[in-house]
Amino acid sequence: GNSVTQMEGPVTLSEEAFLTINCTYTATGYPSLFWYVQYPGEGLQLLLKATKADDKGSNKGFEATYRKETTSFHLEKGSVQVSDSAVYFCALSFRTGNQFYFGTGTSLTVIP
Amino acid sequence: DTEVTQTPKHLVMGMTNKKSLKCEQHMGHRAMYWYKQKAKKPPELMFVYSYEKLSINESVPSRFSPECPNSSLLNLHLHALQPEDSALYLCASSTDRENTEAFFGQGTRLTVV
Repeated sequence: GNSVTQMEGPVTLSEEAFLTINCTYTATGYPSLFWYVQYPGEGLQLLLKATKADDKGSNKGFEATYRKETTSFHLEKGSVQVSDSAVYFCALSFRTGNQFYFGTGTSLTVIP
Repeated sequence: DTEVTQTPKHLVMGMTNKKSLKCEQHMGHRAMYWYKQKAKKPPELMFVYSYEKLSINESVPSRFSPECPNSSLLNLHLHALQPEDSALYLCASSTDRENTEAFFGQGTRLTVV
């Protein structure tokens, strides 16, 4: 079946620290991969995406590379800010069936 | 316009009430979704509409009744809910093209008392 596994949180970092949130997936076929961010009390916002192997998605200093050989899509940021505190969800989708599969989410808190 | 608008933002209802959640998008998306999200959990898919027809129902209890009156609107009718149905209800939409992302609304925070 199709599934997404994320590293357990919560993650607490100091401002300007390096961030990695691990995400691996299991899929039958070739999915598109996404990172969504959810701030407290809000819906999900797309952070970045990659649609094929070796693609790198990037946005607001965040990056993730679609690694088919390791079935991974790890999220990284070189220097986090307090405003990056949120819950991050890794997700995959296939066009057929219009279904999105979400990981369990990783809560990030950045302290000044 | 890249927004999905949900109303109301907050809703408190009794177990005998009937209420409706509304969702609207004007991006021309032909797929629309309802998700349920409990605290500290990922969104759980409830329903998918594709071209205004229900294409996926993830074994949701009949006290939740979706409706897609037209390509821009999606409703979720609620009746005889239980306290455990209290959650954030998220609407989303997407195109039917390959490699597309879903756009989410801000959600309706539902409390059943």
